[in-house]
Amino acid sequence: DQQVKQNSPSLSVQEGRISILNCDYTNSMFDYFLWYKKYPAEGPTFLISISSIKDKNEDGRFTVFLNKSAKHLSLHIVPSQPGDSAVYFCAASGGHSGAGSYQLTFGKGTKLSVIP
Amino acid sequence: GAGVSQSPSNKVTEKGKDVELRCDPISGHTALYWYRQSLGQGLEFLIYFQGNSAPDKSGLPSDRFSAERTGGSVSTLTIQRTQQEDSAVYLCASSLAGVYNEQFFGPGTRLTVL
Repeated sequence: DQQVKQNSPSLSVQEGRISILNCDYTNSMFDYFLWYKKYPAEGPTFLISISSIKDKNEDGRFTVFLNKSAKHLSLHIVPSQPGDSAVYFCAASGGHSGAGSYQLTFGKGTKLSVIP
Repeated sequence: GAGVSQSPSNKVTEKGKDVELRCDPISGHTALYWYRQSLGQGLEFLIYFQGNSAPDKSGLPSDRFSAERTGGSVSTLTIQRTQQEDSAVYLCASSLAGVYNEQFFGPGTRLTVL
């Protein structure tokens, strides 16, 4: 049973336009959400995170939006650049103690292609 | 500073053989995690080490899998009697202690069981 879902396996966007990557979750105990970016033959690298007490977090061209009632988050990249082409993983953790506090649950990823 | 390193980067083995995968975490990171990514899947949690506490082994898929962390630093993931379904990329991550700390990932070991 997938607790974190990324329903779009791939996304193509023109350079300079907005990229929107979506993620849905089912576990109401999740209270911390992260986006990781992965290039081929490399490990995932942390991109941006958001706590459940917020609904938006912005870092440069990257903004993450959280809609707790819908159990949905999205990553916006504006403007998109060719170097953003990678696989993006949504991840979540939850609880202040026990396994939920450190164990990340990942989605299957969305492959973003930014076309020059 | 150096990031998380893993060795080997690629490992091809025959079904039934044992393999050992190594992870060197970032210096000063007391938390260490192993994940694996099978083809077309997200990362799957395997095991978590924090300092001298007993590891959380809840994600290990079978008793053929084991891991240890010596001296609170280097970790080794061992898979005994490998099966074809063990083929995956095995990723190690480390972080500072405490909740909500970013996990830094190594490049992974691609394991292929023939």
